Amino acid sequence: DAGITQSPRHKVTETGTPVTLRCHQTENHRYMYWYRQDPGHGLRLIHYSYGVKDTDKGEVSDGYSVSRSKTEDFLLTLESATSSQTSVYFCAISRLKGAGGLSEQFFGPGTRLTVL
Amino acid sequence: GQQVMQIPQYQHVQEGEDFTTYCNSSTTLSNIQWYKQRPGGHPVFLIQLVKSGEVKKQKRLTFQFGEAKKNSSLHITATQTTDVGTYFCAGEGGSYIPTFGRGTSLIVHP
Repeated sequence: DAGITQSPRHKVTETGTPVTLRCHQTENHRYMYWYRQDPGHGLRLIHYSYGVKDTDKGEVSDGYSVSRSKTEDFLLTLESATSSQTSVYFCAISRLKGAGGLSEQFFGPGTRLTVL
Repeated sequence: GQQVMQIPQYQHVQEGEDFTTYCNSSTTLSNIQWYKQRPGGHPVFLIQLVKSGEVKKQKRLTFQFGEAKKNSSLHITATQTTDVGTYFCAGEGGSYIPTFGRGTSLIVHP
């Protein structure tokens, strides 16, 4: 699926510790996204990137930061993890189709994060 | 901001029955996408609708985009156990930033 990998796939950490999740893609797609998925809330956008060093906030960005120093890597950092950040985190890319603004998203396998 | 409402949240059906999930956007969309997520898996792209009133079919799945480009539906005819999962719609306003609905979880009883 568009060569997207996420690491780690599972992580358990303690409240107050920093955590970094990595998303790696192999197809040089410009747009990359981080979502969190919680029961009853669907997929909520945390941050997205539209190019190297170009990032912007999504609807649930508080407590998260991102970086994109290379096209292929998009990092999500929880500076000081809280129990409310226990979730499944999905990275995605947009495969753009033509010049008409059309795209389809491909998702990575997800990272299950538990904050104790 | 743009909001996408999806109903129902859950749907239980007997195998062979039909299933429909509906999405409504608070704003006019440039396109709408549909995704399926199997239990324990990640969302997988199904289709994208762009034109007002568009209808597309994929085997037993029928997707519709409303005339006003603010609502959409996914209908599955004669459900099978392989259809189990959560179906999400995602509306885009032309910015490559989709807004996802909360999804409809389909449970098929054999």
